[in-house]
Amino acid sequence: GQQVMQIPQYQHVQEGEDFTTYCNSSTTLSNIQWYKQRPGGHPVFLIQLVKSGEVKKQKRLTFQFGEAKKNSSLHITATQTTDVGTYFCAGPGAGSYQLTFGKGTKLSVIP
Amino acid sequence: DVKVTQSSRYLVKRTGEKVFLECVQDMDHENMFWYRQDPGLGLRLIYFSYDVKMKEKGDIPEGYSVSREKKERFSLILESASTNQTSMYLCASSFRAGQQPQHFGDGTRLSIL
Repeated sequence: GQQVMQIPQYQHVQEGEDFTTYCNSSTTLSNIQWYKQRPGGHPVFLIQLVKSGEVKKQKRLTFQFGEAKKNSSLHITATQTTDVGTYFCAGPGAGSYQLTFGKGTKLSVIP
Repeated sequence: DVKVTQSSRYLVKRTGEKVFLECVQDMDHENMFWYRQDPGLGLRLIYFSYDVKMKEKGDIPEGYSVSREKKERFSLILESASTNQTSMYLCASSFRAGQQPQHFGDGTRLSIL
């Protein structure tokens, strides 16, 4: 079935440093979604990208969808302690309704 | 705001018991999903439902069943609980069309002793 690979699995950064997580698929994706899960919390939808080469920003977060629609990235500028959590990408699953989630990147921010 | 409510935050059961996990959503979503989340394995889809009384197997359905008698409620059933089913269980819902964003409940941390 559809596989979505995400790297790195863990990332430790000093507060103020930048952070990037990458998501890759072996097949073309119709769309990609990003979620954030705070420690002890549940995944929360952040954004959906649909168009080839699309770039969207949410304050310090920049999301990109690759030209070939096979990869995506999330970049956080000047991390803060509030950015701590696990970031998941998700692409269309085997059927019409499912999503396949990457295994996530766990971000730790050292104050 | 979408509200997805799971019946229990923490649950402890014994091996061999029949376990019911309940999920209710208030946004009239057609799709509902059950995932389990384990360290290093991410979110794995157990079952989903796209309509009342309809269900589809996900990636890891073995040992589980589901029930959707009403649109707002989706139940996950562990027929005979085993220790390897100790996990965090997450319910989610979404509108039907395409792969719409999913809204998650707070999760149930289930321990099977």
